[in-house]
Amino acid sequence: DADVTQTPRNRITKTGKRIMLECSQTKGHDRMYWYRQDPGLGLRLIYYSFDVKDINKGEISDGYSVSRQAQAKFSLSLESAIPNQTALYFCATKDSNTEAFFGQGTRLTVV
Amino acid sequence: AQTVTQSQPEMSVQEAETVTLSCTYDTSENNYYLFWYKQPPSRQMILVIRQEAYKQQNATENRFSVNFQKAAKSFSLKISDSQLGDTAMYFCAFMKHNAGNMLTFGGGTRLMVKP
Repeated sequence: DADVTQTPRNRITKTGKRIMLECSQTKGHDRMYWYRQDPGLGLRLIYYSFDVKDINKGEISDGYSVSRQAQAKFSLSLESAIPNQTALYFCATKDSNTEAFFGQGTRLTVV
Repeated sequence: AQTVTQSQPEMSVQEAETVTLSCTYDTSENNYYLFWYKQPPSRQMILVIRQEAYKQQNATENRFSVNFQKAAKSFSLKISDSQLGDTAMYFCAFMKHNAGNMLTFGGGTRLMVKP
């Protein structure tokens, strides 16, 4: 089993719909992150969390929200999806000063 | 804020040849880490190599090595004896020591290894 698991792998949704992307990890790390990947822009940080109930905004948090209700789980929500949120989304986890471990990514298409 | 620039959107190399991917970054920090990640068509982000800024010696992992020039803020990746399986997107990333440890990524370089 993967150390960091994202669900779903792929999703198509309609404009205005609420959607949740889920991430779970078995690494035992406290730090979890959500990134968004767009062509030519690399990965950009949406939100991050250092512990249960700890939430911090990243570079591009507008239009997104997150929930960290357990150490191993970190979910990302789009309250009202719009087409420019079409992207590849990655969850990552790490200890301090170590490399990040990434999930397999969720490809989200908003039509 | 940190920025990471990869100036080569696409590159190609013949199998068994050597290729160098460029990365420059801008920071006022003195303690930090630099990474190269590989993203094959499977989408998985795979760590290729890591460099601590306080280390003068360039990191090496088998066929992968870096040229880390701290004063020039440059961190290039050299792939020797390129293999078809090296075909992927490559991302350079910067991470401050402590302070949240968020990664700042470059825009990526798409590498195609040709038979």
